[in-house]
Amino acid sequence: SQQGEEDPQALSIQEGENATMNCSYKTSINNLQWYRQNSGRGLVHLILIRSNEREKHSGRLRVTLDTSKKSSSLLITASRAADTASYFCATELYNFNKFYFGSGTKLNVKP
Amino acid sequence: GAVVSQHPSWVICKSGTSVKIECRSLDFQATTMFWYRQFPKQSLMLMATSNEGSKATYEQGVEKDKFLINHASLTLSTLTVTSAHPEDSSFYICSARDGGGGGTEAFFGQGTRLTVV
Repeated sequence: SQQGEEDPQALSIQEGENATMNCSYKTSINNLQWYRQNSGRGLVHLILIRSNEREKHSGRLRVTLDTSKKSSSLLITASRAADTASYFCATELYNFNKFYFGSGTKLNVKP
Repeated sequence: GAVVSQHPSWVICKSGTSVKIECRSLDFQATTMFWYRQFPKQSLMLMATSNEGSKATYEQGVEKDKFLINHASLTLSTLTVTSAHPEDSSFYICSARDGGGGGTEAFFGQGTRLTVV
């Protein structure tokens, strides 16, 4: 990818379990955002975390950011079948007005 | 959230023809719009960034003469794939943000699936 990698590439869990996805990036960032994409469709914004923040919550989502390691994680708690989608992190580079996407994690939540 | 409308949602064209894709911000003024390309089962690759009234900034490796971007107003950006070839078949997604500064989310269109035959 242009900016970073995500792992795992694919994740399959049972409904009710937690899902954790990791994102690593290459250069200094202004902020990092997580997006979700259902198959063959546009992206939906989930959460934004700024470079001076370490953790944010939104409903069942928890995002952490470690700028020293250039990495972020997205935790989805109590997953549901409807959470099945691809999840991408996007980094906005410091002093640039553009987003680069990570390679994505395909999450499958089995009912 | 804000709405970005992308049209058409899919298009099939013959090799050698040109195709125009429109991206509109419906309820906000999009100072900056982004065009991405996505191959099957892959991530989104940023093609170019366009600011209203100025020339688009293309990413390295993206042919500006092949992928013409026009951002003539604060609510409309267009991507024209010129002299399309089968290898241009892909999913093209636009996004827009309100304001020229950083630190805000971008809103995405639903994408256009282009098939060149």
